[in-house]
Amino acid sequence: NAGVTQTPKFRVLKTGQSMTLLCAQDMNHEYMYWYRQDPGMGLRLIHYSVGEGTTAKGEVPDGYNVSRLKKQNFLLGLESAAPSQTSVYFCASSPDSLYGYTFGSGTRLTVV
Amino acid sequence: GENVEQHPSTLSVQEGDSAVIKCTYSDSASNYFPWYKQELGKRPQLIIDIRSNVGEKKDQRIAVTLNKTAKHFSLHITETQPEDSAVYFCAASSNYQLIWGAGTKLIIKP
Repeated sequence: NAGVTQTPKFRVLKTGQSMTLLCAQDMNHEYMYWYRQDPGMGLRLIHYSVGEGTTAKGEVPDGYNVSRLKKQNFLLGLESAAPSQTSVYFCASSPDSLYGYTFGSGTRLTVV
Repeated sequence: GENVEQHPSTLSVQEGDSAVIKCTYSDSASNYFPWYKQELGKRPQLIIDIRSNVGEKKDQRIAVTLNKTAKHFSLHITETQPEDSAVYFCAASSNYQLIWGAGTKLIIKP
């Protein structure tokens, strides 16, 4: 039982490049979330999903897109990376809104 | 929208003393309140949670209290140890997501 797995763990992008971050969970959770955390700061919600095939915008969605084609996977895409997107990205999942989240180990992204 | 305020932003206590972190929330419909601990360079991890039908919950040295009338909840850590040093986040449920506090950096002095 791996929990929540994020790939890759580290990535360096050049400004304007695109990439996809993958989040996979094996707990059959309905809800999945993508957060970013800047150094010394709290968690900011980018996008979330309440079930397969659904997505919704969070607090800071601009510059990101997501897809939830399969229940176990939640993909976060950056179409044209900017230095302001340098951050640590955490994925999380939960059975529903009244249970705690299980977080992945994070992806450290640097945009130069 | 929902707002969660967390205080203090930094808390320094002597090893063995107690620590208390407080949060207030604005959405009266919130009914789930978890607390997370994040060590440096690590992922946030759930340490304790409470639902609105309960006023207090304990787990060894950690306890959480909830006052729904006043819309505030608190984390209590007794007999603090060096491994308690971390950033602690409170959160409140609101519309399919959690609204997070800004975090409290807890420093345990030897």
